[in-house]
Amino acid sequence: GAGVSQSPSNKVTEKGKDVELRCDPISGHTALYWYRQSLGQGLEFLIYFQGNSAPDKSGLPSDRFSAERTGGSVSTLTIQRTQQEDSAVYLCASSLNGGRAAYNEQFFGPGTRLTVL
Amino acid sequence: SQKIEQNSEALNIQEGKTATLTCNYTNYSPAYLQWYRQDPGRGPVFLLLIRENEKEKRKERLKVTFDTTLKQSLFHITASQPADSATYLCALGRQTGANNLFFGTGTRLTVIP
Repeated sequence: GAGVSQSPSNKVTEKGKDVELRCDPISGHTALYWYRQSLGQGLEFLIYFQGNSAPDKSGLPSDRFSAERTGGSVSTLTIQRTQQEDSAVYLCASSLNGGRAAYNEQFFGPGTRLTVL
Repeated sequence: SQKIEQNSEALNIQEGKTATLTCNYTNYSPAYLQWYRQDPGRGPVFLLLIRENEKEKRKERLKVTFDTTLKQSLFHITASQPADSATYLCALGRQTGANNLFFGTGTRLTVIP
């Protein structure tokens, strides 16, 4: 079956513009995660959705970042008034469920490379 | 805050040898630890998971150990092949709270033919 898909694969924007990044998780996966990966850095957790529960936004770096997940499936990460330090690869992952008892592996998409000029 | 260190940015080994990658963590008590492989331009791919009460896990040519006293995990690839060349990431899972992972910065492994 299809894996996690993300779009666009690359996005170049000017400082101050808003951007939207999209993630289509694997069908049937209830948990969805956003991470970002900067050059030379590890993956940094941003936000986590589990089913219909309120998302865990503890990793969002500022209030310019927000995300939603519609219908328990597709998710959109929005960055408002982009800054140069927002340049990174934004990765989305999904897992069958988010319960620790299952210790589910996470399936990652290919990422969106965001460049803010 | 938690800190996760992987032994080196880059590791070069000869084909056929065993590659050993290290993941050390501080200020953290993970419930489990995962190892992922990441190729350039791609997202990470899950390899192995080991729980806090497990000492060792194996899968084909891969072996992972987990020492919660030393706060360290070792990841071994035996009989390494050039196709094993990639960046390997360790990731720690929480005891409580959300199921997101905390990742190390990765070790770039190159297996030389």
